[in-house]
Amino acid sequence: AQSVTQPDIHITVSEGASLELRCNYSYGATPYLFWYVQSPGQGLQLLLKYFSGDTLVQGIKGFEAEFKRSQSSFNLRKPSVHWSDAAEYFCAVGTNMNTGFQKLVFGTGTRLLVSP
Amino acid sequence: DGGITQSPKYLFRKEGQNVTLSCEQNLNHDAMYWYRQDPGQGLRLIYYSQIVNDFQKGDIAEGYSVSREKKESFPLTVTSAQKNPTAFYLCASSPLPGPTTVRTQYFGPGTRLTVL
Repeated sequence: AQSVTQPDIHITVSEGASLELRCNYSYGATPYLFWYVQSPGQGLQLLLKYFSGDTLVQGIKGFEAEFKRSQSSFNLRKPSVHWSDAAEYFCAVGTNMNTGFQKLVFGTGTRLLVSP
Repeated sequence: DGGITQSPKYLFRKEGQNVTLSCEQNLNHDAMYWYRQDPGQGLRLIYYSQIVNDFQKGDIAEGYSVSREKKESFPLTVTSAQKNPTAFYLCASSPLPGPTTVRTQYFGPGTRLTVL
């Protein structure tokens, strides 16, 4: 079955420091991968997505992610974290259902805390 | 502004009552989805709809019902048969896919349901 693993439940980063959030997926076919961010009590905002092509994907708010097929990973990075980046981050993989339609399978999320 | 609206933001329900959560989108998206979010579990798909007057069960449909009478609207009813309905509910929509079969999903702000 398709699955997404985000091994870090919480991460604390100092403001201005670099960030990397880990995401590993399990999916037999070509994966379609997404990162979303959620502020407390809010909906999810799409940060970036990977469908094909260049394995380094640029997103909004200065985020980027790199698809590594050999490692089944799609880690999210940011070179310098701002206090406003504190939120929960979700990685997801698009999978095909037997109806021919797609669904997203989400990881359990990583909560980012930013220290002054 | 185009977007997805969910109402109400907070909802309280007594045990044994049915309750309906509203989801409206003006993005002209054809597909709509309902997810449930519980702490530490990521998002789980309840129902989805590809077109008007058609919908399919997701992974955790028991105790829920939906309708899709209009393209813009996809209300979710949480019935008394749902054993543990207290959760954060997120609605999403997606446009027709592009060159790939992938559908990018966009989320509403969510409704927090609490059963008293």
